Amino acid sequence: AQTVTQSQPEMSVQEAETVTLSCTYDTSESDYYLFWYKQPPSRQMILVIRQEAYKQQNATENRFSVNFQKAAKSFSLKISDSQLGDAAMYFCAYRRRAGTASKLTFGTGTRLQVTL
Amino acid sequence: GAGVSQSPRYKVAKRGQDVALRCDPISGHVSLFWYQQALGQGPEFLTYFQNEAQLDKSGLPSDRFFAERPEGSVSTLKIQRTQQEDSAVYLCASSSDRAYNSPLHFGNGTRLTVT
Repeated sequence: AQTVTQSQPEMSVQEAETVTLSCTYDTSESDYYLFWYKQPPSRQMILVIRQEAYKQQNATENRFSVNFQKAAKSFSLKISDSQLGDAAMYFCAYRRRAGTASKLTFGTGTRLQVTL
Repeated sequence: GAGVSQSPRYKVAKRGQDVALRCDPISGHVSLFWYQQALGQGPEFLTYFQNEAQLDKSGLPSDRFFAERPEGSVSTLKIQRTQQEDSAVYLCASSSDRAYNSPLHFGNGTRLTVT
C-alpha cells in the first residue's frame, strides 16, 4: 500500500518570502503521479501542481514549484513571493498511474500561515 | 452547473439516525469518488464509480456505509445508524473520463456532525 507523510503540521511565512513544505511517500511502483492540493476554509480541494514520476524535470506553476527526488521518495513544494491568499491547508497526494482512474492517497496536511 | 455540487453543506444527526449525502458531479463526468476527511486529517478514499458501476468500495469503513449512482450522474452516500466516529467532512470528486491522468474536480464537501 502507498503512504504519504507530511511531517510539518504547521508552517509560517512572511508575505513576499519563500517557504518550502515537505512530503515523503512510500510505494513499490515506478510509475505514478504526485500532487499538491490546497484546501482553504471553503473545504474545496484545489490542485496546485502535479508531477509525473517518469519526468525528471521538476514541475512549476507560476510561484509554485516542486523538488522531486524519486530515489529518496521526496516531493517538496516551494512557494515563492508568498501572498496572504496562500494561507490554507496543503496536502501532498499520490496517485497510481493505472489504466483506469485510481484513487488519491493523501498526507495529513500542513497548515500554512502567511503573516504581514 | 460549473462545478461539483454537494448537499447539504452541513448535517447534524443524532447517533443512530440514518443520513444521505448528495453529490452532483460536473455534467458528463464519468468518474466519481467519495472521500472522508476527519478533523485534522487528510481525505481518505471511500469508493469509486465509473458511470453507474461501483468499481471500488474498498475504503468504506463498515457495512453501515452505502453509495449509489444509479443513472451514472448524481451519487448518494448513505450512512445507516450513524456513530460519533462518522463525524467528518465527506468530499466528492469527479473527472471527465476514466483515465488515470484525468484531473479531479472536488466539491465543497458535507460536514457531518453526529451528536
